[in-house]
Amino acid sequence: GDSVTQMEGPVTLSEEAFLTINCTYTATGYPSLFWYVQYPGEGLQLLLKATKADDKGSNKGFEATYRKETTSFHLEKGSVQVSDSAVYFCALSDLGSGGGADGLTFGKGTHLIIQP
Amino acid sequence: ETGVTQSPTHLIKTRGQQVTLRCSSQSGHNTVSWYQQALGQGPQFIFQYYREEENGRGNFPPRFSGLQFPNYSSELNVNALELDDSALYLCASSLRGQLQTEAFFGQGTRLTVV
Repeated sequence: GDSVTQMEGPVTLSEEAFLTINCTYTATGYPSLFWYVQYPGEGLQLLLKATKADDKGSNKGFEATYRKETTSFHLEKGSVQVSDSAVYFCALSDLGSGGGADGLTFGKGTHLIIQP
Repeated sequence: ETGVTQSPTHLIKTRGQQVTLRCSSQSGHNTVSWYQQALGQGPQFIFQYYREEENGRGNFPPRFSGLQFPNYSSELNVNALELDDSALYLCASSLRGQLQTEAFFGQGTRLTVV
């Protein structure tokens, strides 16, 4: 079945540092890829997405590129802020799995802590 | 534009009881998906409803069931609660066939089974 693997946290960085959160996936079809963010006490918010190979999703300074050859979708940001502290989830949607469901498959999440 | 709202926000139940969680989808959305998020884990897909019928299901037993109403709101029902059912339950709404564009999540219902 489909699966998503992302780096374990917590990841602790200083403000203005460069961020990379690794994400790799396994899928039977040709999935769309997503990064979601969850702030304390809140639901999930879509951060960015990519629907085909070599697409780059970007939002709020975050970027991720769909790499089919390495089955990866790593999240990057050039200069993090304290307000970026949250849990980040990599996810995929594989309509080609044959299961008929539009459900998202999530990784376990990476807790990011940015210190001033 | 209203967002996805879930009720209640917190709930405590006893093992063996039944529970119903509710979700109002975002305006203009016709599909609702439910997820279970255990502490420290990513959300797990339970099932999806479209046109008042189940339209896909994850690896959850039949005691997890749902409904979707004509106004696209939805309920998640769990029978014979077990301690491991303690989790955050998330509802997400979307347009049919456009989940790849965006799914909007509610803030969730925190269920504790004692």
